[in-house]
Amino acid sequence: EAQVTQNPRYLITVTGKKLTVTCSQNMNHEYMSWYRQDPGLGLRQIYYSMNVEVTDKGDVPEGYKVSRKEKRNFPLILESPSPNQTSLYFCASTDLGGRATEAFFGQGTRLTVV
Amino acid sequence: AQSVAQPEDQVNVAEGNPLTVKCTYSVSGNPYLFWYVQYPNRGLQFLLKYITGDNLVKGSYGFEAEFNKSQTSFHLKKPSALVSDSALYFCAVSQWDSNYQLIWGAGTKLIIKP
Repeated sequence: EAQVTQNPRYLITVTGKKLTVTCSQNMNHEYMSWYRQDPGLGLRQIYYSMNVEVTDKGDVPEGYKVSRKEKRNFPLILESPSPNQTSLYFCASTDLGGRATEAFFGQGTRLTVV
Repeated sequence: AQSVAQPEDQVNVAEGNPLTVKCTYSVSGNPYLFWYVQYPNRGLQFLLKYITGDNLVKGSYGFEAEFNKSQTSFHLKKPSALVSDSALYFCAVSQWDSNYQLIWGAGTKLIIKP
């Protein structure tokens, strides 16, 4: 089954404690991205990757890091989480071959930073 | 700059009535337009897309969308609403510049009342 898998689904952590949210896709998609979703603000892109070892900032990259060492994996790293990073996070992947293909989303990670 | 607007934060419809969720866009060139749905505690699911051709696009769960180039709109419609259609709906447009990006609307909460 084609899917994007995020872990964990829920996470409560304390300010400053480094954390990683994993994302993996099994569709051999080139493009992967991370979004955060906040009430009234819709989806905002954090980082994206066009392919292995190619990453770039989205609209709200401050406080986040990513890496793309393998095509299937695109982890999101919060080196020193702060309460304003409390949000719902989504990973997505897209096949860029046709330029108009839809994105596939993970189930989301609800992060609370206290 | 490319943008997507969903002018209604919330749309309320009685079950069995037709529904419309509005989306307008601003892009350079030909747009690739998408609708996604988000059910509570779930990731975003692809509903339908417009690439080219027929202005009326049919998608999942009985939804359809009408592309109107002169009005730069891509409204989501369904002839007869179900309570189970209650969800958050997002419109998006894909952008190809130096990189690929999906530009998102803020989302519209659809509430179907029995």
